[in-house]
Amino acid sequence: AQSVTQPDIHITVSEGASLELRCNYSYGATPYLFWYVQSPGQGLQLLLKYFSGDTLVQGIKGFEAEFKRSQSSFNLRKPSVHWSDAAEYFCAVGSTPGSQGNLIFGKGTKLSVKP
Amino acid sequence: EADIYQTPRYLVIGTGKKITLECSQTMGHDKMYWYQQDPGMELHLIHYSYGVNSTEKGDLSSESTVSRIRTEHFPLTLESARPSHTSQYLCASSGQGAQPQHFGDGTRLSIL
Repeated sequence: AQSVTQPDIHITVSEGASLELRCNYSYGATPYLFWYVQSPGQGLQLLLKYFSGDTLVQGIKGFEAEFKRSQSSFNLRKPSVHWSDAAEYFCAVGSTPGSQGNLIFGKGTKLSVKP
Repeated sequence: EADIYQTPRYLVIGTGKKITLECSQTMGHDKMYWYQQDPGMELHLIHYSYGVNSTEKGDLSSESTVSRIRTEHFPLTLESARPSHTSQYLCASSGQGAQPQHFGDGTRLSIL
């Protein structure tokens, strides 16, 4: 069965510092991977996605993620965090097209940014 | 930018009332989803649809029901609301294949 693990429930970083949010997945075949961000009281916004090809994926708002098959990971990174990045971040995995697009979400990592 | 709309954004209502949460999308997506999310928690899929007249239950059991009479519309109904239904409900849609899901802003439901 597919699963997604986000080991860090809450992370606090200083504004301007670098950020890495961890995501590990469990899936037998090539997964489709996504990172979403959720601000308080809002829905989820897609940051980036990985389907195939280059394992380093660029997203919106200066975020990037790297797919590492050997580690079953898809960690999200940003070189310099802004106060507006404070939000909840969700990693999600979708299986091959036969799954019809259903996603499995991790439990999320809450990011706090201190001045 | 995704065009998926949920109404109402907030609803506070008494126990026993019938509630319908609306979700509409203008992208022509065949697939639509309803998730339930408690504050600070993960998303749980409660219903999904692959097209008109297609509805399926998700991973989390829910007393709600859904319908899909039109492609763009995927309402969720609670026949008799209870305090245990208090939560945030998120609607999403996606295109063909394993495409990203686009989310609405959610409905925050409180049952007194």
